[in-house]
Amino acid sequence: GQQVMQIPQYQHVQEGEDFTTYCNSSTTLSNIQWYKQRPGGHPVFLIQLVKSGEVKKQKRLTFQFGEAKKNSSLHITATQTTDVGTYFCADGTSYGKLTFGQGTILTVHP
Amino acid sequence: NAGVTQTPKFRILKIGQSMTLQCTQDMNHNYMYWYRQDPGMGLKLIYYSVGAGITDKGEVPNGYNVSRSTTEDFPLRLELAAPSQTSVYFCASSYTDYNEQFFGPGTRLTVL
Repeated sequence: GQQVMQIPQYQHVQEGEDFTTYCNSSTTLSNIQWYKQRPGGHPVFLIQLVKSGEVKKQKRLTFQFGEAKKNSSLHITATQTTDVGTYFCADGTSYGKLTFGQGTILTVHP
Repeated sequence: NAGVTQTPKFRILKIGQSMTLQCTQDMNHNYMYWYRQDPGMGLKLIYYSVGAGITDKGEVPNGYNVSRSTTEDFPLRLELAAPSQTSVYFCASSYTDYNEQFFGPGTRLTVL
């Protein structure tokens, strides 16, 4: 079935450094949703990307959808300790079913 | 609005026992989902529902059953618990099949 690969699995940064996580698929993605899960918490929706080449920004977060709709990325500029958590991409298919990537665990050292 | 609520928060089961994980949403969402999350992994879809009376299997349905008699409730049943079902279970809901999903706080289940 559909597989969504996410890299890296872990990322340790110093506060103020940038962070990027990548989401890749061998098949065309329908639409990409990004979620953040704080340690011990539940996934919280960040954004949805639908169109080829789409770029969306939320303050320090920039989300991109590849031209071929086979990859996506989340970039955080100047990380803060509040950015700590696991970031997941998920491909949305019929009936809203989501296929999640494995997630990238972000640690921010103050 | 309470959003999506789940009970219990934690549970320890013995092999072969059964239990029901409860999920309720007060947002009048048609779509509801059950996921499991194993340590260090992404979430995998167990079952989903597009409305009251309609359910279907997801990626990992074996060992589970669901029902959807009302819009609000979507319980997940484990009939014969196995150690492989040790996981964190999340219930989620969405207004349409194209919207963001709202997740409950999760149930952490251990089967010994």
